[in-house]
Amino acid sequence: EVQLLESGGGLVQPGGSLRLSCAASGFTFSDYAMTWVRQAPGKGLEWVSTISASGFSAYYADSVKGRFTFSRDNFKNTVYLQMNSLRDEDTAVYYCARRELLDYWGQGTLVTVSS
Amino acid sequence: NFMLTQPHSVSESPGKTVTISCTRSSGTIASHYVQWFQQRPGSAPTTVIYEDNQRPSGVPDRFSGSIDSSSNSASLTISGLKNEDEADYYCHSSDGTNRVFGGGTTLTVL
Repeated sequence: EVQLLESGGGLVQPGGSLRLSCAASGFTFSDYAMTWVRQAPGKGLEWVSTISASGFSAYYADSVKGRFTFSRDNFKNTVYLQMNSLRDEDTAVYYCARRELLDYWGQGTLVTVSS
Repeated sequence: NFMLTQPHSVSESPGKTVTISCTRSSGTIASHYVQWFQQRPGSAPTTVIYEDNQRPSGVPDRFSGSIDSSSNSASLTISGLKNEDEADYYCHSSDGTNRVFGGGTTLTVL
């Protein structure tokens, strides 16, 4: 059974940093691209970033480019989202999902950016 | 970047059929796969359709997806509506490096 478990969310001040993790199980992790999607309170879904299966390539939404870094450890079956220079508008539930097609989703972790 | 436009809301009675559209603003709808996600209140999204018209295991065949090149749009059709289908539905596609979601459609089962 495919499982994705996010962690690392919490309250952070504007300008601060946070690192999210997503631990994967139930499939051959190194064969699949992975994606982060976020959802601000009461809003729709927003694509954040996708990383290739090897980790050599990552793509970012314009809203996070230069501030967020997506990485993966194929030995630990885990992906990471390093979020720097956080803004109020980054407040959201962050979901990790498998593949660019987002065939499986985690339950999400809440990030709140507030002073 | 392109956009995917969905109706804000649709409603229909139990047992009926409803179709939710997703129109691509630029680029051809057939050039990249379309996915559809269901999100019930307070829950994470789940996939109901991937690669335009494929159903994941466990999704009932009441759910179907299609694309129409003439209108440059994709559609999600739910037949035999049940109260449990009441949720937000999002379409999703890409143009290579950008991935885009539609704004979401709230389905109300009256």
